Amino acid sequence: DQQVKQNSPSLSVQEGRISILNCDYTNSMFDYFLWYKKYPAEGPTFLISISSIKDKNEDGRFTVFLNKSAKHLSLHIVPSQPGDSAVYFCAASALGNEKLTFGTGTRLTIIP
Amino acid sequence: KAGVTQTPRYLIKTRGQQVTLSCSPISGHRSVSWYQQTPGQGLQFLFEYFSETQRNKGNFPGRFSGRQFSNSRSEMNVSTLELGDSALYLCASSLPGEHGELFFGEGSRLTVL
Repeated sequence: DQQVKQNSPSLSVQEGRISILNCDYTNSMFDYFLWYKKYPAEGPTFLISISSIKDKNEDGRFTVFLNKSAKHLSLHIVPSQPGDSAVYFCAASALGNEKLTFGTGTRLTIIP
Repeated sequence: KAGVTQTPRYLIKTRGQQVTLSCSPISGHRSVSWYQQTPGQGLQFLFEYFSETQRNKGNFPGRFSGRQFSNSRSEMNVSTLELGDSALYLCASSLPGEHGELFFGEGSRLTVL
């Protein structure tokens, strides 16, 4: 049972445009959401997070939006740069539980 | 500050063998988690240790086991290897209370022939 879903395995975006990566979850106990970025032959690195008490969090070019009623979150990257080409994983955790549940990832390719 | 170190980086085993993977967390981090990454499955949670105690366990068979030492270093063991165990095994460490902000190592790539 995939509790965190990333339905787009891949996404291609022109350099300078906005990249939007989507994630859906089913477990209503999740209260904290994170995005990780992974380059080949490296471990995932933390990108940005959002608590369920917020609906938006920004960090430079990266913004995460959370829609609790729809159990949906999205990551916006503006403007997209070639170095953003990587696999992006959405993850979620429940209060008091260190375990992260990850989605299957979306491979983002930025076209110069 | 050194990152999370995993050894070995690559290894090849045959079916039926067993394997032990090692993880040294970031200095000061006492929580260590293990994940399995396979194509199309994302990262699947294996287990999490804190102060030498297993706090969480994922849905993996008993062939998968782990432990944590007093210096926070951790090992995971897979016995009676199967072809489907071929994967990237990732270790991550974190500070207590850092809600989900894990620091990952580069992983150990296991191939089972």
